[in-house]
Amino acid sequence: AAGVIQSPRHLIKEKRETATLKCYPIPRHDTVYWYQQGPGQDPQFLISFYEKMQSDKGSIPDRFSAQQFSDYHSELNMSSLELGDSALYFCASSSGQNNSPLHFGNGTRLTVT
Amino acid sequence: AQSVSQHNHHVILSEAASLELGCNYSYGGTVNLFWYVQYPGQHLQLLLKYFSGDPLVKGIKGFEAEFIKSKFSFNLRKPSVQWSDTAEYFCAVSPPKGGFQKLVFGTGTRLLVSP
Repeated sequence: AAGVIQSPRHLIKEKRETATLKCYPIPRHDTVYWYQQGPGQDPQFLISFYEKMQSDKGSIPDRFSAQQFSDYHSELNMSSLELGDSALYFCASSSGQNNSPLHFGNGTRLTVT
Repeated sequence: AQSVSQHNHHVILSEAASLELGCNYSYGGTVNLFWYVQYPGQHLQLLLKYFSGDPLVKGIKGFEAEFIKSKFSFNLRKPSVQWSDTAEYFCAVSPPKGGFQKLVFGTGTRLLVSP
């Protein structure tokens, strides 16, 4: 079965650079969530989209922005990268219906040097 | 403060031993409860979930969890662990406010099963 696809799998950037992470949800899933998991930490909710509109916002820095496109894929844009942004970034998708569980992608490991 | 607590950060067991991982949450009202597993280098996978009904929930790979409302707990259990269960286990709650499926995760329990 098709899963949530994230690209790239690994990304190395320098401080103050920008990065764009992409997420392709499971077909017919209209809701996308972004999570950040720092080394040895639990995943923290960043932001979510439903039907191309931002539906909820968590602990996302102002340097980050995200959007969901007409084909339901989502991109997380990160600017002025800091060392502390090094983390595993997970995308998850769901059908948006009540009781629909989240399906996670394999994540993008971002390393800021 | 509203939170999800997992009391055991590291658990080491021998194969065939029984497992119980604790999870407590502090949200009031109706919540949805989940256990996710993260194998080394992999993404989070759903083990089981509780929305309503029978408080004893059975998941994949022989795992089960019991929701005890009076204790705000959702402990994960497995009668006999295998080496392949070595992973990190996250309890998660979908709180009653702020979005139906926005998950709040516990800090995780790293399980090591020795052969």
